[in-house]
Amino acid sequence: AQSVTQLGSHVSVSEGALVLLRCNYSSSVPPYLFWYVQYPNQGLQLLLKYTSAATLVKGINGFEAEFKKSETSFHLTKPSAHMSDAAEYFCAVSDQDYGGSQGNLIFGKGTKLSVKP
Amino acid sequence: SQTIHQWPATLVQPVGSPLSLECTVEGTSNPNLYWYRQAAGRGLQLLFYSVGIGQISSEVPQNLSASRPQDRQFILSSKKLLLSDSGFYLCAWSDFGREGQPQHFGDGTRLSIL
Repeated sequence: AQSVTQLGSHVSVSEGALVLLRCNYSSSVPPYLFWYVQYPNQGLQLLLKYTSAATLVKGINGFEAEFKKSETSFHLTKPSAHMSDAAEYFCAVSDQDYGGSQGNLIFGKGTKLSVKP
Repeated sequence: SQTIHQWPATLVQPVGSPLSLECTVEGTSNPNLYWYRQAAGRGLQLLFYSVGIGQISSEVPQNLSASRPQDRQFILSSKKLLLSDSGFYLCAWSDFGREGQPQHFGDGTRLSIL
């Protein structure tokens, strides 16, 4: 069975500083991994996805994530935080217990990012 | 392009009243459909998913039910709401039958039970 752990329920950075949000996964098969962002009172928006093509994945809004199989990690980074990046971020892994065709995702508990001026 | 619509955006209901939340998807055929609930501090909880018309899988026992009367329509219902049903409800879709596909979310419904 697959699982996802997001380290740190809250992360605070200064505007212009590096953003690093941590995600570790557990999977017995090659995983499909995703990062989503949620702004207050809105749905989740896909930031980026890893589907085994390249280990460094670039997403929207300047975010990227690196798949590291040896560390079972898929951390999300952004070189310079902007005030508009303040939101909650969710890491997810595709649930492949049923062959993956039903498309279920297993989500982490989320990390709230605060950006200080 | 594909779009997903959820309504209403907010809803205030008394305990014991019925509920119907609707979700529709446009621009795709035979999608997988999902209902999630977010309660404060509890992350995303998958409630139901559907891989086709009339095919509903329930992930947790609860006071809610789901139906899929048409290919791109997914409805979340309750006959009698409980206080614990309060939360933010999200509908999502993904492509059917393809591994590694992301889910795409609607804007959600904020449900408050009084």
